[in-house]
Amino acid sequence: DGGITQSPKYLFRKEGQNVTLSCEQNLNHDAMYWYRQDPGQGLRLIYYSQIVNDFQKGDIAEGYSVSREKKESFPLTVTSAQKNPTAFYLCASMGEGNTEAFFGQGTRLTVV
Amino acid sequence: AQSVAQPEDQVNVAEGNPLTVKCTYSVSGNPYLFWYVQYPNRGLQFLLKYITGDNLVKGSYGFEAEFNKSQTSFHLKKPSALVSDSALYFCAVRDLYNFNKFYFGSGTKLNVKP
Repeated sequence: DGGITQSPKYLFRKEGQNVTLSCEQNLNHDAMYWYRQDPGQGLRLIYYSQIVNDFQKGDIAEGYSVSREKKESFPLTVTSAQKNPTAFYLCASMGEGNTEAFFGQGTRLTVV
Repeated sequence: AQSVAQPEDQVNVAEGNPLTVKCTYSVSGNPYLFWYVQYPNRGLQFLLKYITGDNLVKGSYGFEAEFNKSQTSFHLKKPSALVSDSALYFCAVRDLYNFNKFYFGSGTKLNVKP
């Protein structure tokens, strides 16, 4: 069953803690993305990666970090430097020859 | 800069009536345009896309969209709305200079009432 898997679905974090969101895909896609969704603001690009061991900052990268050690995996770390981390986080991927991106089911992060 | 705009935060329509969700774009060249749908606490599902060719594009679940170059619009339409169509709809454009980047609108909440 091919697709993009994000885990966990819900995540609670205490202020000052780092937390890592998982994104795995078995679609053999080269490009992967992390977006943040806030009510009324649509999707904003945090980081994207076009190939293994390479990634670029998106529009709101401050306070976030990523790695791309494997083609299948693109984890996102929300660091304590991110001042307002409570949001819905979406991972996506796109393969060579595709024109559209495919999305995971999202992780809702809440800072308590 | 490339962008899309969705001028309506919310659209209300009665079941069985036609629906339109509006999107306008700002792109210097020929755009790649997309519509996605999102149900509560779920990811985005791809509905349809315009790349080239016929201006009327048909997609999933009976949705279609019309590309209008002179009006720089890509409105989503459906002839007869269903209650199950109630969701959040996003228009998106692909960056022409960096094909790996997409720009999304702010979303339009569609409410279909029985």
